[in-house]
Amino acid sequence: GAGVSQSPSNKVTEKGKDVELRCDPISGHTALYWYRQRLGQGLEFLIYFQGNSAPDKSGLPSDRFSAERTGESVSTLTIQRTQQEDSAVYLCASSFPPGPQQFFGPGTRLTVL
Amino acid sequence: AQRVTQPEKLLSVFKGAPVELKCNYSYSGSPELFWYVQYSRQRLQLLLRHISRESIKGFTADLNKGETSFHLKKPFAQEEDSAMYYCASFDNNDMRFGAGTRLTVKP
Repeated sequence: GAGVSQSPSNKVTEKGKDVELRCDPISGHTALYWYRQRLGQGLEFLIYFQGNSAPDKSGLPSDRFSAERTGESVSTLTIQRTQQEDSAVYLCASSFPPGPQQFFGPGTRLTVL
Repeated sequence: AQRVTQPEKLLSVFKGAPVELKCNYSYSGSPELFWYVQYSRQRLQLLLRHISRESIKGFTADLNKGETSFHLKKPFAQEEDSAMYYCASFDNNDMRFGAGTRLTVKP
């Protein structure tokens, strides 16, 4: 594909349910980032993967949040027992080499009722 | 910790007027500074970076270490400049974004 893709584009769920968000980075990009964007706020760093190194999870807001990445391909962000404050747009970005020139996906808009 | 502040959530100017989007950062080291832009129904994308000292779409940004600022400027705004603008800092794999400023250029 030509760019970073994310699915689903929209997700509405009930409080307490688990959700899984997917990100397909640009082929060959070793670095992958997840961000959260709450309404009216900036992008909040969540987690960073670089190749086979241990991910930087310093931005995950709670233990309900987790993410995985298989090699240098697809990543999934999982939110367990969703809460209303989890409602946000979740953005994924990839880059090569790792750095600030990141290519962003279209985002997944999560709404927790 | 790094912090990026964009004091204006909304900014509105008329076409042809100068525009300045403010950005201040707080960091003890020497981060790289960037501006990202998101046009309506498009993805967030890099606009410019301070180390390249370039002008993109008529926009420039100068890093002022004394004032810890990286304001984005354009002398004559165009309607197609209407978008959400994010200032960002990067250091040692730590990327921080500001809250963003929505620029509206009126005809």
